[in-house]
Amino acid sequence: SQKIEQNSEALNIQEGKTATLTCNYTNYSPAYLQWYRQDPGRGPVFLLLIRENEKEKRKERLKVTFDTTLKQSLFHITASQPADSATYLCALRNSGNTPLVFGKGTRLSVIA
Amino acid sequence: GAVVSQHPSWVICKSGTSVKIECRSLDFQATTMFWYRQFPKQSLMLMATSNEGSKATYEQGVEKDKFLINHASLTLSTLTVTSAHPEDSSFYICSATRDGSSYEQYFGPGTRLTVT
Repeated sequence: SQKIEQNSEALNIQEGKTATLTCNYTNYSPAYLQWYRQDPGRGPVFLLLIRENEKEKRKERLKVTFDTTLKQSLFHITASQPADSATYLCALRNSGNTPLVFGKGTRLSVIA
Repeated sequence: GAVVSQHPSWVICKSGTSVKIECRSLDFQATTMFWYRQFPKQSLMLMATSNEGSKATYEQGVEKDKFLINHASLTLSTLTVTSAHPEDSSFYICSATRDGSSYEQYFGPGTRLTVT
């Protein structure tokens, strides 16, 4: 069966450190993989998209890697801040205008 | 750009009544809109895909007669929960893709439905 697993439900990290979140998938061949941020009671906010032929993408303090052999994406937040505390969702899309399928998310808490 | 709004942001209704939730793309045309449902501490679960001018495509297990979706224009889709029951209480979120670009989905802020 198809699965998207974000294998930490919660992650606590000290301010200033790098947070690393993991997303693994099985029985998908995603054309795109995306990361979203969701705050309590709010809709997800798009952060980064990485295509199947890309290894790494960066945006300010954020970095995403995509390994289609391992079927894994890593999401890094460097120099983490308390304001980075939120749930981070991994999502896959196979191709075209097919809908995103989401993982359960990792709740990140950055402690001052 | 790429702002999606939802109305209402929260609603409480009595069991057996119907509730309509609106999803609007404010500054772009959305040929496709998606409706998701999210229970506490769970992932977003896709309910249906809505294309402008045609019938919505529902995911397996989602009752199309209970969750009525209308995508009447390129900027508006509505979800009506008919004969609501307490188990329908959830967080409903819509998203939209830009016309001609399917890479990014833009999400609305969500609607919290509580059925008493």
